[in-house]
Amino acid sequence: GDSVTQMEGPVTLSEEAFLTINCTYTATGYPSLFWYVQYPGEGLQLLLKATKADDKGSNKGFEATYRKETTSFHLEKGSVQVSDSAVYFCALGGRQGGKLIFGQGTELSVKP
Amino acid sequence: SQTIHQWPATLVQPVGSPLSLECTVEGTSNPNLYWYRQAAGRGLQLLFYSVGIGQISSEVPQNLSASRPQDRQFILSSKKLLLSDSGFYLCAWSVGGPNEQFFGPGTRLTVL
Repeated sequence: GDSVTQMEGPVTLSEEAFLTINCTYTATGYPSLFWYVQYPGEGLQLLLKATKADDKGSNKGFEATYRKETTSFHLEKGSVQVSDSAVYFCALGGRQGGKLIFGQGTELSVKP
Repeated sequence: SQTIHQWPATLVQPVGSPLSLECTVEGTSNPNLYWYRQAAGRGLQLLFYSVGIGQISSEVPQNLSASRPQDRQFILSSKKLLLSDSGFYLCAWSVGGPNEQFFGPGTRLTVL
């Protein structure tokens, strides 16, 4: 069945460091791919998305490219800030009923 | 614009008591609706989803139930809460497109 695998957390970085959070997926067909962010005590917010191969989603300095050949959708940011500290979820969509398949989440902690 | 509301924001209930959590969406018609549970430090578990009034699909067997009495209202219920029902409950909606979902602020439930 469909699945999403994210790198284990927590990830701890210093401010202005480069961020990569790996995400790979297994799916039939051509799913849409998403990154969500969850700040402490809040619901999830859509961070970026890509709907077809080679699409690059971007928002707030974050980027991710839909790589069909490697079935990956890694999240990157060139210079993280303390305010980026949150849990990041990779998700796969386009399933029956509009369901999303989520990865287990990766906690990011950015230190000043 | 669309908004999603959940209430209550927090809830402390004794074991064996009933539960009713409510979710409403504004600004859209005929959305798909979803209930998730997030246990402490864990990922998201899809509990129920609905593609229309009165149409409920259950993803996991449990002592919870869901109902959709109106197009933009989704209710999560239990007749008798268990300790294991504690967690952060998130409601989400989607409509068409590449199936991105939009999440509410969540309800934190503690069962004592």
